[in-house]
Amino acid sequence: ETGVTQTPRHLVMGMTNKKSLKCEQHLGHNAMYWYKQSAKKPLELMFVYNFKEQTENNSVPSRFSPECPNSSHLFLHLHTLQPEDSALYLCASSQDGAGGQVGELFFGEGSRLTVL
Amino acid sequence: GQNIDQPTEMTATEGAIVQINCTYQTSGFNGLFWYQQHAGEAPTFLSYNVLDGLEEKGRFSSFLSRSKGYSYLLLKELQMKDSASYLCAALDSNYQLIWGAGTKLIIKP
Repeated sequence: ETGVTQTPRHLVMGMTNKKSLKCEQHLGHNAMYWYKQSAKKPLELMFVYNFKEQTENNSVPSRFSPECPNSSHLFLHLHTLQPEDSALYLCASSQDGAGGQVGELFFGEGSRLTVL
Repeated sequence: GQNIDQPTEMTATEGAIVQINCTYQTSGFNGLFWYQQHAGEAPTFLSYNVLDGLEEKGRFSSFLSRSKGYSYLLLKELQMKDSASYLCAALDSNYQLIWGAGTKLIIKP
């Protein structure tokens, strides 16, 4: 496989469920990101990992919990979500790991989350 | 505050030319990106401008004016496959990306 792969592509969960989104990048990049994409809104940066270390947490509620076991894998653990959390969750990677978001981002196709 | 403005939706005809504008207000500036996103797919990189002027890449060109806080993406010889959302994003002084809400481009035969 090449590029950035996200699973599952679609997820429906109740507000009391616990689920996880998975992202894997095959590009040898040093930085990985979670973004939230809602209809007609700008992409919202959630978390940034550089060399497996979290360097950014944009005031994301604790019901979203990221995990980066190595520089190729990124997870987003979901717990007691709200209906307004329904959105497309995009994972991305970039070569640069020096902080910030310098350089081209490579995105996965996203996980479409629906919270009932 | 920091802000990116771009039109919500545009319609154009196959074979024609369309220009998608983007204005930005950021704390410092380190370049501007354009991404294309087809429905249900990943955003993909189109261009990056940091100096004033026009950069051409096949049917797509991107222009930047730093003094005006303005960029546009020019698409020539439009094809049906160009129907997509086009995302504008500016890098601020902290190298944080500030995103626009995207422009949905509809191509009609």
